[in-house]
Amino acid sequence: QVQLVQSGAEVKKPGASVKVSCETSGYTFTTYVIHWVRQAPGQGLEWMGKINPSGGSTTYAQKFQGRVTMTRDTSTSTVYMELRSLRSEDTAVYYCARSFLAVHDAFDIWGQGTMVTVSS
Amino acid sequence: EIVLTQSPGTLSLSPGERATLSCRASQSISSSYLAWYQQKPGQAPRLLIYAASGRATGIPDRFSGSESGTDFTLTIRRLEPKDFAVYYCQQYGSSPYTFGQGTKLEIK
Repeated sequence: QVQLVQSGAEVKKPGASVKVSCETSGYTFTTYVIHWVRQAPGQGLEWMGKINPSGGSTTYAQKFQGRVTMTRDTSTSTVYMELRSLRSEDTAVYYCARSFLAVHDAFDIWGQGTMVTVSS
Repeated sequence: EIVLTQSPGTLSLSPGERATLSCRASQSISSSYLAWYQQKPGQAPRLLIYAASGRATGIPDRFSGSESGTDFTLTIRRLEPKDFAVYYCQQYGSSPYTFGQGTKLEIK
């Protein structure tokens, strides 16, 4: 079945970087865009950006420009999201989610989420 | 950036009743690229509705979506205990793909 499986929880100090992985299975990797969405404790959902696994092109939300990098490894059907210069406000659950590449599409499958805690 | 405003913030209803959740966009959303998601505590969001009124795979027909200009509505008929959760609308027509702030549907 289609699955997005994310890496485990992370605890980081302010100023550090975190890299979260999203391993996909059950479908053709290059036919779905992968998005990253985060949710601070008790808050709503915030879209961070997306990557097209076919060519590796990315689009980032302006808020994260310069601080986030999304990459993919086609050999393992895995997408990565790296966030740098972490601050306490980055404490959140980070989700990956997919949408069909060929058309504008909603996010039909989500990963289980990765808790990232930023604390000194 | 398209801002989505959901109302009410909290909706208190009883099982068996009908829920009506609203989502208003700050500007027109191209081709009705509006989705609704359900999120329960400790879980990832689950897609319910896409393209304003299309039901996602496996979603019962008690859930329906509609639109009128920049106003979108999620209706849940005959509420069941498992329906009580937080609901988010999202537009995916133009980047950044924004979400509403959510409506919490709680048991009265």
